[in-house]
Amino acid sequence: EVQLVESGGGLVKPGSSLKLSCVASGFTFSSYGMHWIRQAPKKGLEWIALIYYDSSNKYYADSVKGRFTISRDNSKNTLYLEMNSLRSEDTAMYYCAKRTGYWYFDFWGPGTMVTVSS
Amino acid sequence: DVLMTQTPVSLPVSLGGQVSISCRSSQSLVHSDGNTYLHWYLQKPGQSPQLLIYRVSNRFSGVPDRFSGSGSGTDFTLKISRVEPEDLGVYYCLQSTHFPPTFGGGTKLELK
Repeated sequence: EVQLVESGGGLVKPGSSLKLSCVASGFTFSSYGMHWIRQAPKKGLEWIALIYYDSSNKYYADSVKGRFTISRDNSKNTLYLEMNSLRSEDTAMYYCAKRTGYWYFDFWGPGTMVTVSS
Repeated sequence: DVLMTQTPVSLPVSLGGQVSISCRSSQSLVHSDGNTYLHWYLQKPGQSPQLLIYRVSNRFSGVPDRFSGSGSGTDFTLKISRVEPEDLGVYYCLQSTHFPPTFGGGTKLELK
């Protein structure tokens, strides 16, 4: 059974940094690209980043490019999202998701909440 | 970015009934490889989204045949027949033909 479990969320002040983690199990993590997707409170879904299975390529939404960094450690079955210069508009539930097919996702984690507020 | 417009925003339904959700894109979702990357997700209350339909009309593993997807180009539909209580929640369409992937605003399926 595929399992994805995010962690690292919390309450932070504007301008600060945070690093999220997503631990994967139930599939060969090193063979799959992974995404981060977020959902602001009571809002819709926004794709924010993709990393290829071997970290050879990384893609970002314009809203986070230059501030967020996606990475992975295949030896630990773990995906990361390093978030810098956080803004109030980054407040959201952050989900990791397993890539399937062309730029879409089949399994999602339960999410970790990030709140940016002074 | 490709704009995905879902209608209606709210959809009251009676258990056992049938409903349709529309998803329209601001440009064609036919990829240069010939595939159309339009997908449907359901987010049940308090849960993360789950994949229902991929590439327009393919049901994901374990998804009952009460769910069906159709459409082409810029106009797509998700139909749910014999609605059951576990079908309630917010439905999202996603296009992944064009970068970046973009979601529709969601359709909330709720009981009448």
